[in-house]
Amino acid sequence: DSGVTQTPKHLITATGQRVTLRCSPRSGDLSVYWYQQSLDQGLQFLIQYYNGEERAKGNILERFSAQQFPDLHSELNLSSLELGDSALYFCASSRAGSTDTQYFGPGTRLTVL
Amino acid sequence: GQQVMQIPQYQHVQEGEDFTTYCNSSTTLSNIQWYKQRPGGHPVFLIQLVKSGEVKKQKRLTFQFGEAKKNSSLHITATQTTDVGTYFCAGPVDTGGFKTIFGAGTRLFVKA
Repeated sequence: DSGVTQTPKHLITATGQRVTLRCSPRSGDLSVYWYQQSLDQGLQFLIQYYNGEERAKGNILERFSAQQFPDLHSELNLSSLELGDSALYFCASSRAGSTDTQYFGPGTRLTVL
Repeated sequence: GQQVMQIPQYQHVQEGEDFTTYCNSSTTLSNIQWYKQRPGGHPVFLIQLVKSGEVKKQKRLTFQFGEAKKNSSLHITATQTTDVGTYFCAGPVDTGGFKTIFGAGTRLFVKA
């Protein structure tokens, strides 16, 4: 158990809908990262937050947004969902900056029908 | 753009054979991290290498960081079925702010 929690574990929704994925980092970690992993693919970095502020951005679509709250939990919002958005979404956390070890949560499996 | 490249993409081995995956960066990395993702699981941190030429061992796993800090390798001696999974390397890349870029991973299949 990495100490990072993600909810929900599974999510099934329809095209055009909007969903919110939630992540709670390990105690004491200030950075939260979001990754997308499509079937049998690598980890695509989406975005990083550090202590409530956006720190780095990857290949995140405009339909996607995220935020980190004062209690350091983070949410990833996916809107106008398309079939191709079906994937595993991982959240990871680290003590501080981007060069620190990242601890991954169990992931949320999103299926868009 | 700056990338972290990993080869091979897949590797099938017979149990007991050795396995190596290689990671290459176009730029110097301050450190390299290795993660393992079991089928159906999430990536789990294995190790971090920081120094040029560093070699670290974890039981049957040997990790190396190149002298130029641009490449790294993970070698598994005498693979076991418990070694199956995808091995990712990751390194911080400066894109106007550091972010950790993951390699595409090497998926290891071990036949008993």
